[in-house]
Amino acid sequence: DVKVTQSSRYLVKRTGEKVFLECVQDMDHENMFWYRQDPGLGLRLIYFSYDVKMKEKGDIPEGYSVSREKKERFSLILESASTNQTSMYLCASSTYQETQYFGPGTRLLVL
Amino acid sequence: GQQLNQSPQSMFIQEGEDVSMNCTSSSIFNTWLWYKQEPGEGPVLLIALYKAGELTSNGRLTAQFGITRKDSFLNISASIPSDVGIYFCAGLNSGGSNYKLTFGKGTLLTVNP
Repeated sequence: DVKVTQSSRYLVKRTGEKVFLECVQDMDHENMFWYRQDPGLGLRLIYFSYDVKMKEKGDIPEGYSVSREKKERFSLILESASTNQTSMYLCASSTYQETQYFGPGTRLLVL
Repeated sequence: GQQLNQSPQSMFIQEGEDVSMNCTSSSIFNTWLWYKQEPGEGPVLLIALYKAGELTSNGRLTAQFGITRKDSFLNISASIPSDVGIYFCAGLNSGGSNYKLTFGKGTLLTVNP
């Protein structure tokens, strides 16, 4: 079974803090993705990576950056957290052009 | 980004009833996926469809890839309380460097025991 894990299930941060969300997959997948999920807006793609050190912007990259130094690990960084970044963050991975498998999500609250 | 039109937005049914939901798009997709998300969890893949016209079952779940490649349907038979959750459709076009899924906004299913 594919396993995608996220470093935290719940996180509370203060406005202006730098926040790291980490995602690890154990299936040697090439592609990894970060989404945020908000009520009424569905899942929106923030960034994705199709190879180590490669990244592409998704639909809502503003205020976020990513890092992929190893194939199995994809980090989402909030350089200076703001209250409008309070959300559920979901990581996913896939092999080329195939089904995406999701992690359990990190619920982030920015105060 | 593009969204799929998923309906209904929510359903409240009695245990034992059958459920149908669908997704439509103005664009063609090569792959259709159906996910279920329970409260506080990430989406879990239920069914993947790779060919137009394909009908695939997973237990009490049946999904179809529309002939036009612009729609898909998910049916749940004899619903039970643990079917509660949000069901998402997603379309994928494989080809080139496009690995991105396009999601519907979900159907919230509530099952009354």
